[in-house]
Amino acid sequence: GESVGLHLPTLSVQEGDNSIINCAYSNSASDYFIWYKQESGKGPQFIIDIRSNMDKRQGQRVTVLLNKTVKHLSLQIAATQPGDSAVYFCAETEAGSYQLTFGKGTKLSVIP
Amino acid sequence: NAGVTQTPKFQVLKTGQSMTLQCAQDMNHEYMSWYRQDPGMGLRLIHYSVGAGITDQGEVPNGYNVSRSTTEDFPLRLLSAAPSQTSVYFCASSYSGSQGFRSYNEQFFGPGTRLTVL
Repeated sequence: GESVGLHLPTLSVQEGDNSIINCAYSNSASDYFIWYKQESGKGPQFIIDIRSNMDKRQGQRVTVLLNKTVKHLSLQIAATQPGDSAVYFCAETEAGSYQLTFGKGTKLSVIP
Repeated sequence: NAGVTQTPKFQVLKTGQSMTLQCAQDMNHEYMSWYRQDPGMGLRLIHYSVGAGITDQGEVPNGYNVSRSTTEDFPLRLLSAAPSQTSVYFCASSYSGSQGFRSYNEQFFGPGTRLTVL
């Protein structure tokens, strides 16, 4: 089946800088896109989601951008902090479906 | 609230043994699901349930059984463990579509069970 994937497996950023984590998807029927954060030894934690009829959504220090033309999703983290160090997963789901399809993850390391 | 709890945290099985991974939530969530996480593979959905008495298969259901007799509990049974089932297993819960529009996008995950099959 179609899958969600990531461009970069690892990302290192300086504390205070902005981080951008990218994700490519291939399922044109995807209706929602979701970002999860997973800290070492813990389960994933929901960050933010965006519906396919939107191109931008903002949360606390995070912004998700969606470009359906090129099937690309990104998560921007402003003023990255050491507590942001984790693996970030994008996921997608079709309209009316309960099933989330996860990408393989990007590891974000914040350099103090 | 304890959130989503899973037991055990670690388990080692021999090939052919059976066991049940326990999952419970105290948030009155209708939707519950089981994922497995393998290195470099992300999370893959095994089974899910949209309410007591209702279960369905996800992407990788073979070798696993589930049942949902109560809203709170959603155990995952390995019928005859195989080395390919060595993985970290996560249980998750969320409000279902009937409890809020698209609220199941925000799934709450348990701490995971690390299973090794020898």
